[in-house]
Formats: sequence, C-alpha cells, structure tokens
Amino acid sequence: SAVISQKPSRDICQRGTSLTIQCQVDSQVTMMFWYRQQPGQSLTLIATANQGSEATYESGFVIDKFPISRPNLTFSTLTVSNMSPEDSSIYLCSVEPTGVSTEAFFGQGTRLTVV
Amino acid sequence: DQQVKQNSPSLSVQEGRISILNCDYTNSMFDYFLWYKKYPAEGPTFLISISSIKDKNEDGRFTVFLNKSAKHLSLHIVPSQPGDSAVYFCAASVYGNEKLTFGTGTRLTIIP
Repeated sequence: SAVISQKPSRDICQRGTSLTIQCQVDSQVTMMFWYRQQPGQSLTLIATANQGSEATYESGFVIDKFPISRPNLTFSTLTVSNMSPEDSSIYLCSVEPTGVSTEAFFGQGTRLTVV
Repeated sequence: DQQVKQNSPSLSVQEGRISILNCDYTNSMFDYFLWYKKYPAEGPTFLISISSIKDKNEDGRFTVFLNKSAKHLSLHIVPSQPGDSAVYFCAASVYGNEKLTFGTGTRLTIIP
C-alpha cells in the first residue's frame, strides 16, 4: 500500500494567479499521476510524472498551464497556472506502487475554487 | 468521447438489501477493470478489480461481474450497510498500461 499526503486540501484563488499542489508519498514510486475532477465529471488524467524525466501530458493538457515537478521518487508538485474559474476542480495525485494499474492509491485531493 | 460510462448518477438502497452499480465501456482494448469508492473530502480508495479472463470476482460483501460481449460490468454489494454510502467510480485500463479511464461515478445512498 501507499500513503499519500496532498497539500493544500483546499484553496480559493484569484483568477490570473497560480497555485502549486504538493504530493508526498511514504514510499518510493516510479510513476506519479495527476488527475482532475471537474464538478459532476469523471476523474481525468492530466499527466504522468516520472522521476528524472519530463512529465507526459494527456490530450488537452499542456505543460505551460500545468507544469509538474518530480524531484525525487517520493514527491511531486502540480502547478495550475494563470487560473480561471474553469480551473475550479478537485485535483488528485495518484501512485501505482506495483507498476501496473492493479491498485492505484490516491491522495485526498485539493479542492480548488477560482474566483 | 466517454469510454467508460456510469449512466446512473445516483442510487438509493435500503440497508440490508443488495446494491447494484452498473458500468459500460466502449473501448474493446480494455482488459482490466476496477471499482473505487470515494467519500467526501477524501481521495478514491480501491475496492475490487477484475481482469477480462474472469467473469466474476468476489471479496466479502463485494462482487464484480464482467460481461465482455456486452462491454458491461456491475458491482454488487450485499448486504448494503450505511457505511457504503459514497460515490463509486468504475475504471478501466489495458493491463500493463498504467493509465486509468474513469466513469463519472454513481452516488450510492444507503437508507437505514
């Protein structure tokens, strides 16, 4: 199993500003994943973060808007840049310790409201 | 293009009865399916999974059924308990590929 701490748990931000979300895992993992859950929607994968390489972004998500850092095997950050109200969502980090999606573990999420 | 669909946004079930949550998928490449449970202000937690080589997997009160020809899976919870009240997400993947594709979720409410 894996225990994931995600910070902040929630925030209210002004449009045009940026917010960095942190994700700390209690064990070393190769891949970390960042998801977004917009109101009433499913969880959508933003990007996959590997340690030591550039993050891989899914269609519709770009590095300039969602820069990701992965400085070591237990930590990652996601920044939501130049925020607009449409970025109001829950952002979740996830890890799959076994390397395949048999049992992904999630942080508690960051509820972001942009005003 | 929603590849994994949960057509019932909500479901209410009497305590002690069976809860049945449904999920449909369109991508025939999916061969691994998972159910997650999510309480408010918490991240999703893994519940049960099934690979496409099986049509049923059981874990205590939870059973997942897979009908590959219909591209349909269901989660049965019996007997339902008040602590089961949560949002349930169906997810699918191609085994060996770490990406999960989620459905939109079904909010289950267990009525005491």
